[in-house]
Amino acid sequence: AQSVSQHNHHVILSEAASLELGCNYSYGGTVNLFWYVQYPGQHLQLLLKYFSGDPLVKGIKGFEAEFIKSKFSFNLRKPSVQWSDTAEYFCAVNAMNGQNFVFGPGTRLSVLP
Amino acid sequence: DAGVTQSPTHLIKTRGQQVTLRCSPKSGHDTVSWYQQALGQGPQFIFQYYEEEERQRGNFPDRFSGHQFPNYSSELNVNALLLGDSALYLCASSLFESYNEQFFGPGTRLTVL
Repeated sequence: AQSVSQHNHHVILSEAASLELGCNYSYGGTVNLFWYVQYPGQHLQLLLKYFSGDPLVKGIKGFEAEFIKSKFSFNLRKPSVQWSDTAEYFCAVNAMNGQNFVFGPGTRLSVLP
Repeated sequence: DAGVTQSPTHLIKTRGQQVTLRCSPKSGHDTVSWYQQALGQGPQFIFQYYEEEERQRGNFPDRFSGHQFPNYSSELNVNALLLGDSALYLCASSLFESYNEQFFGPGTRLTVL
């Protein structure tokens, strides 16, 4: 069975600090990888996704993520966070032969102005 | 272009009651997936409907059932409610042939007293 772990439950940063949120998954086959964001009071939105090709993927709002197959990781990064990045971030995987997504427990990011 | 819509927004029920939640997929989408998001956790896959049939199911008891209508909208039914069913219930829609592209609705907050 697939599983997803996220390294941090809650991250607190000051504006302009760099961000890296860890995500590791457990699955032996080929997967698609996603980062979703949930801003306070809003629905889940896709930040970025990786299906194949260049392991460094760029998403919206300046976010990027790197897929490292050997480490089963898909870490999310942003060079300089803003107060508006305060949100819950979820890593998710989807097996190539499956239909459902498996989400990690989420990381709450608080950016202090 | 309307996104995924869900109703109601909030719902309060008592233990033992039954509840029905509704979802209308994004225009052009034919597949609906349901997730349960408990407080402080990531969404957990309940089941997925395509062509009015349940295609995949997560680790949820038979108290959770669903339906998909010819217009692709869907219902989630939960019988014999337990306190532990209190959660945000999310609906996601996609095209079956490109199931990786899931769009989420705002969710229905269910509170069981």
